[in-house]
Amino acid sequence: NAGVTQTPKFQVLKTGQSMTLQCAQDMNHNSMYWYRQDPGMGLRLIYYSASEGTTDKGEVPNGYNVSRLNKREFSLRLESAAPSQTSVYFCASIEGLGGLEGYTFGSGTRLTVV
Amino acid sequence: GDSVTQMEGPVTLSEEAFLTINCTYTATGYPSLFWYVQYPGEGLQLLLKATKADDKGSNKGFEATYRKETTSFHLEKGSVQVSDSAVYFCALSDNTGANNLFFGTGTRLTVIP
Repeated sequence: NAGVTQTPKFQVLKTGQSMTLQCAQDMNHNSMYWYRQDPGMGLRLIYYSASEGTTDKGEVPNGYNVSRLNKREFSLRLESAAPSQTSVYFCASIEGLGGLEGYTFGSGTRLTVV
Repeated sequence: GDSVTQMEGPVTLSEEAFLTINCTYTATGYPSLFWYVQYPGEGLQLLLKATKADDKGSNKGFEATYRKETTSFHLEKGSVQVSDSAVYFCALSDNTGANNLFFGTGTRLTVIP
């Protein structure tokens, strides 16, 4: 089925460990996004990539890095995980036509940092 | 900057009751407005959208009208079902080149039989 695929679905890290969250979309969308979802705070944008080869910071980029590997894939890396990064992470993509179409979201990665 | 303010939850309703979830926004330009729904354990799904003032978005019995004069986009459904239990997010897109979405904090709806 066409859509956005995120891996892994669950992860537990120790403080200071690193990991990469993977995201891939097969809809030929230009723009991809990483959000985090925390209780009572909705979704907040971490980083986005408006097109292949470009990345930009969102609202809460500290502690994260991203790579737009190609048009399909957009990964999020935690270099040194901290308990404050415990959250649910969502990847999303959009064709890029000025917000006229809704985003397509992946099913999320639940990350716990202990 | 752009922002969305959403009705605090949780909301508990009996089946067939009328639902309203309030959403107001602040934007400098001409945003598009969305309602997303998140069912337990899943990602967000687009429920409905409106791209200009006075547009009405509708889907699955849900409706919302883009009111520029009151900067609102309230979600309504005339008769809720148990299967509507989920978290609902109001969002706006600033329609710039980055197409960033700004989300409200979400409203958890529980419908009891």
